[in-house]
Amino acid sequence: TQLLEQSPQFLSIQEGENLTVYCNSSSVFSSLQWYRQEPGEGPVLLVTVVTGGEVKKLKRLTFQFGDARKDSSLHITAAQPGDTGLYLCAGPKPNTGNQFYFGTGTSLTVIP
Amino acid sequence: DAGVIQSPRHEVTEMGQEVTLRCKPISGHNSLFWYRQTMMRGLELLIYFNNNVPIDDSGMPEDRFSAKMPNASFSTLKIQPSEPRDSAVYFCASSSGQGNQPQHFGDGTRLSIL
Repeated sequence: TQLLEQSPQFLSIQEGENLTVYCNSSSVFSSLQWYRQEPGEGPVLLVTVVTGGEVKKLKRLTFQFGDARKDSSLHITAAQPGDTGLYLCAGPKPNTGNQFYFGTGTSLTVIP
Repeated sequence: DAGVIQSPRHEVTEMGQEVTLRCKPISGHNSLFWYRQTMMRGLELLIYFNNNVPIDDSGMPEDRFSAKMPNASFSTLKIQPSEPRDSAVYFCASSSGQGNQPQHFGDGTRLSIL
């Protein structure tokens, strides 16, 4: 059973299009992290959202944490081929310090 | 600064052989994680060390898997004997402190068991 479900699982779009990917759970998390993993590399942290309803922007990427802290979304404006990769959300495992559950991932391909 | 370093990057071996994966965490990080990534199951935590001590090994699939961290700058994940279903990408990650500290991942070892 996956604690963090991500959708869609796969997404292929043309350069310049906008897209949104989702990370959902039935559990409340104190925070959520988003990572991007490029082919042949390990995941790299993009952002951490902490407060319910929080919105963070990283250039063309907008991250939102749900009010109830059970879900998060990532919106990319005017996607570029460099955005291609696997997007993973991660939430802390309670009472463990710094262990995380990782989501199922969304594999994004941006076609030039 | 050097990131997390894993070796080898690729390993192809026959079933039944012993496989040893190596990891050098970022200097000063006190937490180390071994993950396995497959298409079917995504990224799964195998074992977590804090200050070189194994804290949670509940993700280790079976007794064929073992991990050690003899010092703060080195860890190994061993599979003996290996089986085809062990084929996956194995990642090592390290982090410092508690809470929302990011995990820094190596580039992984792509393991193929024939």
